[in-house]
Amino acid sequence: QVHLVQSGAEVKKPGASVRVSCQPSGYTFNAYYIHWVRLAPGQGLEWMGWINPNSGGAHYAHKFQGRITLTRDTSINTVYLELNRLRADDTAIYYCAREGSAVSTLDPWGQGTLVTVSS
Amino acid sequence: QSALTQPASVSGSPGQSITISCTGISSDGHSFIHVSWYQSRPGKAPKLILFGVNDRPPGVSDRFSGSKSDNTASLTISGLLAEDEADYYCCSYTTTSAPFVFGPGTKVIVL
Repeated sequence: QVHLVQSGAEVKKPGASVRVSCQPSGYTFNAYYIHWVRLAPGQGLEWMGWINPNSGGAHYAHKFQGRITLTRDTSINTVYLELNRLRADDTAIYYCAREGSAVSTLDPWGQGTLVTVSS
Repeated sequence: QSALTQPASVSGSPGQSITISCTGISSDGHSFIHVSWYQSRPGKAPKLILFGVNDRPPGVSDRFSGSKSDNTASLTISGLLAEDEADYYCCSYTTTSAPFVFGPGTKVIVL
């Protein structure tokens, strides 16, 4: 069974950086892109970017370019989201999700990581 | 870039059917393609419930069904249960720089 397990909650001050990890299991790590989506309080789901675990290539939503970096470590089958220059409105639950077996879907999703940005 | 619109909330009593609409508008004038729907409950990971307009992943109840007409996709929940109370997001997959565009979400309230 496919699972994506994320790292625990983080509390950061404005201007700091955060790194969230996502460790998939139950399938060949390199075979599927991993996407990151966030859910901010009172807001909807927001796509942030994807990473190709095979090549390490990544692509980001315009909104986050310059602040976001997606990386992977193939030795431990883990992908990472790093978001810099955090602001209060970055407070959200951050999810990783595997590109699904069905075209153009995200399935399954990780359990989510709450990132709180507060002074 | 696409923009999707959904009603803010839809309510129904247990056993009833409700329908959530999702209207897509592209700046290039084309309707969105590859529609999918996600259920999001507090404290739980979002879950894919429909894709390809009306296909369900294994394990998803057949009480969830979908349709599409022109630039509007719809999700119908039949035989509403208390456990269906959640936020539902439509999602359009595009070949633009942001491949997954989500609607604003619809809160389903079971009365």
